[in-house]
Amino acid sequence: AQSVTQLGSHVSVSEGALVLLRCNYSSSVPPYLFWYVQYPNQGLQLLLKYTTGATLVKGINGFEAEFKKSETSFHLTKPSAHMSDAAEYFCAVGFSGGYQKVTFGTGTKLQVIP
Amino acid sequence: GAVVSQHPSRVICKSGTSVKIECRSLDFQATTMFWYRQFPKQSLMLMATSNEGSKATYEQGVEKDKFLINHASLTLSTLTVTSAHPEDSSFYICSAHGQMNTEAFFGQGTRLTVV
Repeated sequence: AQSVTQLGSHVSVSEGALVLLRCNYSSSVPPYLFWYVQYPNQGLQLLLKYTTGATLVKGINGFEAEFKKSETSFHLTKPSAHMSDAAEYFCAVGFSGGYQKVTFGTGTKLQVIP
Repeated sequence: GAVVSQHPSRVICKSGTSVKIECRSLDFQATTMFWYRQFPKQSLMLMATSNEGSKATYEQGVEKDKFLINHASLTLSTLTVTSAHPEDSSFYICSAHGQMNTEAFFGQGTRLTVV
């Protein structure tokens, strides 16, 4: 069984400030971890993913996430928020044995204040 | 990345009618497709897993006779909401996997409103 917990359903940051979206997972097998972004009335776009190898993963739009096995975390960060980053972000966990089926967190809505 | 096209993006239908939503993988063969439902301000809930040429596997609590899924080819899966009711109004999203992909590629979603 696997699950994902995203702390904070809403996060507000000022433009130019650090973005930190938290994600903790639970998985009985080595996980695959994903961050997706969703803009209003649109599907999901993959920001980045961790499967194996380097634990610091860089994605699109300046985002990165670090897989910390000891903390069962995969937090998403961006050094400087941009207005266009305002969206909903979903963390998801899958696993190599059945990577197609992922479990999503409840999402975090990011607001960027000018 | 790979492209998944979902159609229509929005649909309004009368209560009691049926609505078909298409999910197409445009540049790869999707051996597996997934259908999700997303309620306002909530996460995606997996409804069913669709494998090409076989019957879909439905998640617990999802009525298979109401949500008909067909995956007749490696590039197309359809979800038909039969005898739609207002409570079926939601955002439906498909995703597709190829054999070599480690992540799913999502369609743009379909906003269904049943009046």
